[in-house]
Amino acid sequence: GEDVEQSLFLSVREGDSSVINCTYTDSSSTYLYWYKQEPGAGLQLLTYIFSNMDMKQDQRLTVLLNKKDKHLSLRIADTQTGDSAIYFCAESNMNRDDKIIFGKGTRLHILP
Amino acid sequence: ETGVTQSPTHLIKTRGQQVTLRCSSQSGHNTVSWYQQALGQGPQFIFQYYREEENGRGNFPPRFSGLQFPNYSSELNVNALELDDSALYLCASSSDRGLSEAFFGQGTRLTVV
Repeated sequence: GEDVEQSLFLSVREGDSSVINCTYTDSSSTYLYWYKQEPGAGLQLLTYIFSNMDMKQDQRLTVLLNKKDKHLSLRIADTQTGDSAIYFCAESNMNRDDKIIFGKGTRLHILP
Repeated sequence: ETGVTQSPTHLIKTRGQQVTLRCSSQSGHNTVSWYQQALGQGPQFIFQYYREEENGRGNFPPRFSGLQFPNYSSELNVNALELDDSALYLCASSSDRGLSEAFFGQGTRLTVV
């Protein structure tokens, strides 16, 4: 079945760039997403990319999609303490049941 | 602030009991999806409702059921609660089954003891 994999932890110094990587298995994915979850909170949609794009930039966030390798990354420039959270990679396929499939999340820890 | 509100925020139930969780969609959204997020895991799709009809279902038993009302708010009902049902339950609303702009509520934290 469809699967999304991502590393569980990432530590980055404040001011550096963070890069969170993700791989997925569904070659027919329509949308790829990045969600942020802070402790005790719900999910915040950070950004998404349509599968026919290879890059999307939104302020400090850059999403890169390599559709051939089924690899998605999220780069956060100038990482701040407020970026400390769990980041979920996810995908959906408009030809499949209408559901979003999530990875297990990457916990981003900011070092002073 | 996504405009999606869930109630209650926290709930404690006893094994075997029944629970109803509620979700109010963002204005203009006619599609609601429910997800279960166990501790340390990503959210898992339970089901989706589109214009009051179930539109898709994940790998959850029939004791998980739902409703969507004419105003597009929604309920998730779980019967015969088990300890493993303890989780954060999230609802997401979107427009016309589209998922590109699905907005999540803050969730209901259910603890089964």
